[in-house]
Amino acid sequence: NAGVMQNPRHLVRRRGQEARLRCSPMKGHSHVYWYRQLPEEGLKFMVYLQKENIIDESGMPKERFSAEFPKEGPSILRIQQVVRGDSAAYFCASSSARGGPYEQYFGPGTRLTVT
Amino acid sequence: GDSVTQMEGPVTLSEEAFLTINCTYTATGYPSLFWYVQYPGEGLQLLLKATKADDKGSNKGFEATYRKETTSFHLEKGSVQVSDSAVYFCALSDPGNQFYFGTGTSLTVIP
Repeated sequence: NAGVMQNPRHLVRRRGQEARLRCSPMKGHSHVYWYRQLPEEGLKFMVYLQKENIIDESGMPKERFSAEFPKEGPSILRIQQVVRGDSAAYFCASSSARGGPYEQYFGPGTRLTVT
Repeated sequence: GDSVTQMEGPVTLSEEAFLTINCTYTATGYPSLFWYVQYPGEGLQLLLKATKADDKGSNKGFEATYRKETTSFHLEKGSVQVSDSAVYFCALSDPGNQFYFGTGTSLTVIP
């Protein structure tokens, strides 16, 4: 029973390039969440999606960041024109339902380094 | 709004010492409470959870009790091992809402 899959595990981009991070939720999970973890900091919520819908993007920076969860395929977090401050670990989580006792299951993360 | 406050780290303990990591929360409803653990270079793993007042979550020798009167969910372990070295995150989830994570407490256990 595969867990949450993220790829790539490590991604290096030059300033100004685009970064695309992929997340496949656990089988049977339709709720996907993206978090960012900056060095020496905790997890910051970015966005919550269900299939073909963005439910809550209150944690997403207003510019350059976007997320999608298409009907088929993985969820994608896209960062355009990356800057050094985007260097962080990006974690995806999934759950079978939202809120209450339904824990989130995390992927191993994608570590983005912007040079 | 809902929030979680964790004790500041880092925490360094000798093997077999007693561990307490404090966590308090603020919530408008009746949240579920969680402890997650993150080992170096990995994602977060659920350690334990409690879904209502006075529940005790336990796993791998760790335990935490949901205290509504003090709005706390402190993590404890009677005898830590080197392999427990990790970052520990307290979190809450209100029905229908997103998770709120604490900032994490780094634990290092030395032989």
